[in-house]
Amino acid sequence: EVQLVESGGDLVKPGGSLRLSCTASGFSFSSHAMNWVRQAPGKGLEWVSSISSGSSHIDYAESLKGRFTISRDNAKNSLYLQMNSLRGEDTAVYYCARDATPFLYGLATYDYWGQGTLVTVSS
Amino acid sequence: QSVLTQPPSVSAAPGQKVTISCSGTSSNIGDNYVSWYQQLPGTAPQLLIYDNHKRPSGIPDRFSGSKSGTSATLGITGLQIGDEADYYCATWDITLNTGVFGGGTKLTVL
Repeated sequence: EVQLVESGGDLVKPGGSLRLSCTASGFSFSSHAMNWVRQAPGKGLEWVSSISSGSSHIDYAESLKGRFTISRDNAKNSLYLQMNSLRGEDTAVYYCARDATPFLYGLATYDYWGQGTLVTVSS
Repeated sequence: QSVLTQPPSVSAAPGQKVTISCSGTSSNIGDNYVSWYQQLPGTAPQLLIYDNHKRPSGIPDRFSGSKSGTSATLGITGLQIGDEADYYCATWDITLNTGVFGGGTKLTVL
């Protein structure tokens, strides 16, 4: 059974940093591109970042470039999101999601999602 | 302001049919597959439709998808109370080099 479990969400002050993790199981993690998608309270889904299976392709939402860094460790079946210089508008549930098709990138088809981890940025 | 445009809400009676539109541009919907997601209250999104019209295993054939040019449509027939949820379209934008979502459509089954 495919499982994605996010962790690392917390209450952090503006300007602070946080590292989110997503631990995968039940599939060949190293074969799939992975993604972070967030949802602010009461708002819609917002794509955050994607990373290809071998980390050769990485993209970010324009508004997040320079503050967020996506990475993965295929040996540990884990996806990460390093978030720096956090702002109030970064408050959201952060989901990790698997790209459906192995070894492809940029199709934006997310077939499995984690339960999400809540990041709250507030003083 | 979302890159893909969806109606904020739609409604219909149980047993009826509803369609949800998703409008984009040649840089996104016009050049890539569209997927659709259902998000029930308090839960993570679930893939409903991929590659414009395909259904993952376990998704009933009451759900359908289509694409024409720079627009896509999700159709739901035989509406049930349990279909009340938020629905999102998504695709990749080749100009922005980013994933993009619609703003979401809240379905109410009256």
